[in-house]
Amino acid sequence: ETAVFQTPNYHVTQVGNEVSFNCKQTLGHDTMYWYKQDSKKLLKIMFSYNNKQLIVNETVPRRFSPQSSDKAHLNLRIKSVEPEDSAVYLCASSSGNTLYFGEGSRLIVV
Amino acid sequence: QQKVQQSPESLIVPEGGMASLNCTSSDRNVDYFWWYRQHSGKSPKMLMSIFSNGEKEEGRFTVHLNKASLHTSLHIRDSQPSDSALYLCAASNTGNYKYVFGAGTRLKVIA
Repeated sequence: ETAVFQTPNYHVTQVGNEVSFNCKQTLGHDTMYWYKQDSKKLLKIMFSYNNKQLIVNETVPRRFSPQSSDKAHLNLRIKSVEPEDSAVYLCASSSGNTLYFGEGSRLIVV
Repeated sequence: QQKVQQSPESLIVPEGGMASLNCTSSDRNVDYFWWYRQHSGKSPKMLMSIFSNGEKEEGRFTVHLNKASLHTSLHIRDSQPSDSALYLCAASNTGNYKYVFGAGTRLKVIA
């Protein structure tokens, strides 16, 4: 049963455009994450928020910025996308143990 | 930078056979390990977790952990075609909110 909801599921855009991905979790967890999964299926953490506070900020280009309005929501904005940003972006939430992932948002940059 | 190494990269086993997957962390501060399974086109789902030395069994799945060597292994007995998936190992330190994933083992079970 899905409890981490991501939109959009799929997005095609041109180089230089801005993209936003939204994520909402209904599990009551305090911590949310954004991971990037590339074409080789490698999962890399990008950001983590705990109770709306940024706690993990990995080395990602400045064009990526997370936004959290409350602990149930964590969005990801990409300003001026590049071809290497093509990937699946996975949102997840956790209560400090298991990660629960959304179904992912696939971004294709042409 | 914490690294999680998984082996083999890919594995083919016959239906009914045993699949054995390995995972090692290079970070001495790691406390917890998880195994996630990702079917094609789907998101990863937690399969098993292990935090203490020893063995844990759930149905056809058994996980081992050796904290001294930071090595965990996942064993699937009586493998089924539905077990065909990407198996991801994840590790974290207590309270650092950063789960680091290995590159995965792609398992294919052939009938």
